[in-house]
Amino acid sequence: KQEVTQIPAALSVPEGENLVLNCSFTDSAIYNLQWFRQDPGKGLTSLLLIQSSQREQTSGRLNASLDKSSGRSTLYIAASQPGDSATYLCAVIDGGTSYGKLTFGQGTILTVHP
Amino acid sequence: DAGVTQSPTHLIKTRGQHVTLRCSPISGHKSVSWYQQVLGQGPQFIFQYYEKEERGRGNFPDRFSARQFPNYSSELNVNALLLGDSALYLCASSLWGPPDTEAFFGQGTRLTVV
Repeated sequence: KQEVTQIPAALSVPEGENLVLNCSFTDSAIYNLQWFRQDPGKGLTSLLLIQSSQREQTSGRLNASLDKSSGRSTLYIAASQPGDSATYLCAVIDGGTSYGKLTFGQGTILTVHP
Repeated sequence: DAGVTQSPTHLIKTRGQHVTLRCSPISGHKSVSWYQQVLGQGPQFIFQYYEKEERGRGNFPDRFSARQFPNYSSELNVNALLLGDSALYLCASSLWGPPDTEAFFGQGTRLTVV
């Protein structure tokens, strides 16, 4: 059974810092990995999708890397801003599955203070 | 273009009642999935539908059921509500069939069972 873990559970940083969020998964045979952002009480916003054949994806100040063999992904946020404050979730789709079930971690709660 | 839309946004029900939640996918998307998110945890997979057929089911009791209509919209039904069913219910749509496409989520329906 796939299990996804995110570290740290919570992170508080001053504005302008570069930061790294970590995601690990127990079964490395994944199809893809997706990072999401969730504001309190709201739905999920897709940030980046990394296919299993890719090593990283970039969007603006965000960069996500994937190391399938070690079962790890990191989300790098450059020059953090107060508007980045949210919960960040990573999720994987297992390889060999015939449907797109996402298995989520519990998230990292990020607070960026001015 | 409109994103994934869910209705209602909030709902309060009494134990033992039945509830129907609705989801309209992004125009052109043919796959819809449902997730349950309890406070402080990552979303848990309930169902996936593609081209109006059930493609996957999570570890939820038979009180949970769903369907997808010819226009690709979907309903999630929950019978005999329990207090533990209180959660944020999220709908996600994908362009193609599973599992190789990016998932886009709606804002969710907050269900409170009293």
